[in-house]
Amino acid sequence: AAGVIQSPRHLIKEKRETATLKCYPIPRHDTVYWYQQGPGQDPQFLISFYEKMQSDKGSIPDRFSAQQFSDYHSELNMSSLELGDSALYFCASSYGGGDQPQHFGDGTRLSIL
Amino acid sequence: DQQVKQNSPSLSVQEGRISILNCDYTNSMFDYFLWYKKYPAEGPTFLISISSIKDKNEDGRFTVFLNKSAKHLSLHIVPSQPGDSAVYFCAASPGGTSYGKLTFGQGTILTVHP
Repeated sequence: AAGVIQSPRHLIKEKRETATLKCYPIPRHDTVYWYQQGPGQDPQFLISFYEKMQSDKGSIPDRFSAQQFSDYHSELNMSSLELGDSALYFCASSYGGGDQPQHFGDGTRLSIL
Repeated sequence: DQQVKQNSPSLSVQEGRISILNCDYTNSMFDYFLWYKKYPAEGPTFLISISSIKDKNEDGRFTVFLNKSAKHLSLHIVPSQPGDSAVYFCAASPGGTSYGKLTFGQGTILTVHP
């Protein structure tokens, strides 16, 4: 079965650069979630979208923005990158925003030099 | 403030025996609970979930128990298999419009020995 696709899998950037992470949800899933997992930490919720509208927001820095497009894929844009942004970024998708389980992609590992 | 806690960093079990992974939470607003399994270099894989109106949910070898009064849930794997060796995360979310806002525990490394 098709899973959540994230690209790129690995990304290396320097401080103050920008980065764009992409997420393609499971077909027919209309809700997308973004999480950040720092080294040795559990995943932290950043933001979610349901039917292309922002549905919830967590501890997402103002330097980050995200959107969900008409084909339901989502992009996380990160500007003025800092060393502390180095982490694994997971995207998850579900059908509906209710009590449906989230299915995760394999993540994008972002390294800031 | 860790709202979801998995107090055992690791668990070692013999193949064929029961594995019991535990999770405690502090936020009484949590309404929906999930267990995920994670292998290195992969994303978390959904295993099983339970809503607060139930105290047990079963799916094959996996059973999740919820004790709301104690704010405690557990995952039972019977029988355990070597392929179950992975990191297990419990996660919780509040109800209403924030169902998708998962809060994760720190994870428990399960090792199943042949």
